[in-house]
Amino acid sequence: KAGVTQTPRYLIKTRGQQVTLSCSPISGHRSVSWYQQTPGQGLQFLFEYFSETQRNKGNFPGRFSGRQFSNSRSEMNVSTLELGDSALYLCASSSSKSSYEQYFGPGTRLTVT
Amino acid sequence: GNSVTQMEGPVTLSEEAFLTINCTYTATGYPSLFWYVQYPGEGLQLLLKATKADDKGSNKGFEATYRKETTSFHLEKGSVQVSDSAVYFCALSDRASGTSYGKLTFGQGTILTVHP
Repeated sequence: KAGVTQTPRYLIKTRGQQVTLSCSPISGHRSVSWYQQTPGQGLQFLFEYFSETQRNKGNFPGRFSGRQFSNSRSEMNVSTLELGDSALYLCASSSSKSSYEQYFGPGTRLTVT
Repeated sequence: GNSVTQMEGPVTLSEEAFLTINCTYTATGYPSLFWYVQYPGEGLQLLLKATKADDKGSNKGFEATYRKETTSFHLEKGSVQVSDSAVYFCALSDRASGTSYGKLTFGQGTILTVHP
């Protein structure tokens, strides 16, 4: 079974721009969660989608948004990029409705200049 | 709220040494506990898990026991290898709380370096 895939793997953007990251979960998994990883803050939960519905959201500003499609693929969008948004963005998928056991993709490394 | 505290690193060991990485947690409900490992330039890999008190998770020589009385989930390995060098994260998921869907709470991570 193919693992979680994320595209692109690397991205360089300028302050003020917006960016869209994509995540394809493991086949059959309906829950997708997103995390931000930085050296200073560690791993922080952004949001989770299940069956196209956002069920949970972390403590991030409204510039961070996401969505999930009927095939369970998910995208996250960051608008009006700031230097502090530079991070590794990780997507994870889960097969269970409780989505407590998660499998991670390789991440998208976003650099904002 | 939920939180996870890991021993501070980095941890440096010689090959074949015994490894312990301490992890304690605070949770309001009935958490499941996990250890994830991250190799350079990669995402997180699930190493092992335990879903209820006294469960022991094990994988690739690593073990951890869910201790509810001490709210701990320490990671151990009897003989480490150079290939075990990575960052290790302890995490919890609070299944009983509907507001915790899809959310893993992570510790800060422990860098492990194993020398030949």
